[in-house]
Amino acid sequence: AQTVTQSQPEMSVQEAETVTLSCTYDTSESDYYLFWYKQPPSRQMILVIRQEAYKQQNATENRFSVNFQKAAKSFSLKISDSQLGDAAMYFCAYRSASNGNKLVFGAGTILRVKS
Amino acid sequence: GAGVSQTPSNKVTEKGKYVELRCDPISGHTALYWYRQSLGQGPEFLIYFQGTGAADDSGLPNDRFFAVRPEGSVSTLKIQRTERGDSAVYLCASSLRGLPDTQYFGPGTRLTVL
Repeated sequence: AQTVTQSQPEMSVQEAETVTLSCTYDTSESDYYLFWYKQPPSRQMILVIRQEAYKQQNATENRFSVNFQKAAKSFSLKISDSQLGDAAMYFCAYRSASNGNKLVFGAGTILRVKS
Repeated sequence: GAGVSQTPSNKVTEKGKYVELRCDPISGHTALYWYRQSLGQGPEFLIYFQGTGAADDSGLPNDRFFAVRPEGSVSTLKIQRTERGDSAVYLCASSLRGLPDTQYFGPGTRLTVL
């Protein structure tokens, strides 16, 4: 079974600075998808960024980018120019490309943004 | 357009009671998912519907949990004989189809069993 590990329970960043959230995963599959979701206090999970494993190029969405290292099974999220609205719980998630539709989530990282 | 909606937002019940949690997916989405998020943890998969049928119910913890989607749109998660350990946020998500479409989440229902 696939597992997702987020080793940082909590991170802090100064407004306008850059922060990186870590995620590692374990799988025997070669084709899969990886995601970062943001969950503010409102509880609504919001998709931040998505990466297909077959793509070597790292995904980027505005201030958010990933460092996808397939051989190391690592998928970190970099947030540039941090804003107060970025404060939330961030979840890394895995989804098989061939077997099942479920998302497997990590335990999450709380991100605090200081003004 | 409208996102995924879930009702009620919060539900408090007593141990042993029956509860129903409702999910309205995004219009036109054929795939629907239920997850359970315990305090301080990531969501855990419960069940996946494609259309009206449960394509994968491997995450349901026991036979007290049941979900339906009779017309392929709204889904109801039903919990019988609730236990204190059932207290959690229950999240619903939908996607246009199944793989590889992105899952969009609702705001969840916080269930508290006293």
